[in-house]
Amino acid sequence: QKEVEQDPGPLSVPEGAIVSLNCTYSNSAFQYFMWYRQYSRKGPELLMYTYSSGNKEDGRFTAQVDKSSKYISLFIRDSQPSDSATYLCAMIQGGSEKLVFGKGTKLTVNP
Amino acid sequence: EPEVTQTPSHQVTQMGQEVILRCVPISNHLYFYWYRQILGQKVEFLVSFYNNEISEKSEIFDDQFSVERPDGSNFTLKIRSTKLEDSAMYFCASSEWRMTPNAEAFFGQGTRLTVV
Repeated sequence: QKEVEQDPGPLSVPEGAIVSLNCTYSNSAFQYFMWYRQYSRKGPELLMYTYSSGNKEDGRFTAQVDKSSKYISLFIRDSQPSDSATYLCAMIQGGSEKLVFGKGTKLTVNP
Repeated sequence: EPEVTQTPSHQVTQMGQEVILRCVPISNHLYFYWYRQILGQKVEFLVSFYNNEISEKSEIFDDQFSVERPDGSNFTLKIRSTKLEDSAMYFCASSEWRMTPNAEAFFGQGTRLTVV
């Protein structure tokens, strides 16, 4: 079983839709969970970061972590064409410097 | 806004040649990282560097790879004898604090390395 699994998509939605992106993981030692956004030909950019089970909201973005199920989600409300990008989940163990990434989900928001 | 800068944006090299990828991290950052992304695959951790030492490395980071902070601003990744399978996008990242618990690493735009 891979450490971090993420459906690569692609995912195409109309503008204004609610988008749900998900990752599962197998390593119980992961303590910190992030979502990165990567535009074409750019490096990953941190969107959300959380370390506890539950929800964390930032504007139109909500990150959700369920440690018991080893499942994390990112919800995007009122999606915009500018949200079109690849979204990467990433995780890290306490005390480590190593981010472990999912494969990324390519999202297209159509006007 | 401060950013991590990587040069060159694209490097083509012959198999067996040495290559140096360069990065200028954000100026007040103390922790530095290299990641790579082979086309169609995940972003993978290579190495972290703090206080002029490697603090963590992956199994990918073998004797062919080395990192250096030759002066106060640059951070480099050297691949001694490139192989075809080293072809990838290489990302440099930096952070002000340790990745845990603060976990905010800023990534550069990447250097695309093509080994022919």
